[in-house]
Amino acid sequence: DSGVTQTPKHLITATGQRVTLRCSPRSGDLSVYWYQQSLDQGLQFLIQYYNGEERAKGNILERFSAQQFPDLHSELNLSSLELGDSALYFCASSGRGLAKNIQYFGAGTRLSVL
Amino acid sequence: AQKITQTQPGMFVQEKEAVTLDCTYDTSDPSYGLFWYKQPSSGEMIFLIYQGSYDQQNATEGRYSLNFQKARKSANLVISASQLGDSAMYFCAMREGPSTGANSKLTFGKGITLSVRP
Repeated sequence: DSGVTQTPKHLITATGQRVTLRCSPRSGDLSVYWYQQSLDQGLQFLIQYYNGEERAKGNILERFSAQQFPDLHSELNLSSLELGDSALYFCASSGRGLAKNIQYFGAGTRLSVL
Repeated sequence: AQKITQTQPGMFVQEKEAVTLDCTYDTSDPSYGLFWYKQPSSGEMIFLIYQGSYDQQNATEGRYSLNFQKARKSANLVISASQLGDSAMYFCAMREGPSTGANSKLTFGKGITLSVRP
């Protein structure tokens, strides 16, 4: 168990809909990262938050947004969903032992857009 | 150019034998970190081992070791005494810049499938 909790584990929805993925980082970790894993794109970095503030942005679509709350949990919001958004979405956290800054991943949320 | 290259499409190894999974990387940043993760069929991403660019010795974690050859820009994962539970996808990843830097995103390779035969 990595200590990173992601809910829900599975999500099935229709095109055009909006969903929210939730992530609770490991206790004490200030950084949260979101990644998308799809068959055609592989594992791609979406966005990073550090202690409530956006720190870095990757290939995140404008239809997607994220935030990190004061209790350090994070949410990834995906709107106007398309078939191509079907993927496994990971949250990772880091922060303890900054010398290595290892990212520990949650179990992922598998999103299916029908 | 790809930052992380994993070219082995699939690997097979006999139980109890050792196996090497290849990874080459490309960066001009003198400070970087290299990671290996394991993804079993259940889907979770499990951290295995880390190597910093300034680390003098190769990293080891139990049955996992990282063969770090800086001049060749390679960071191969060696799994000793393979077990059936090692069957999974293995990803090599890189963080460019110091670990305390503002941007700690990981760039992943495409992964290698390892199958352990009984």
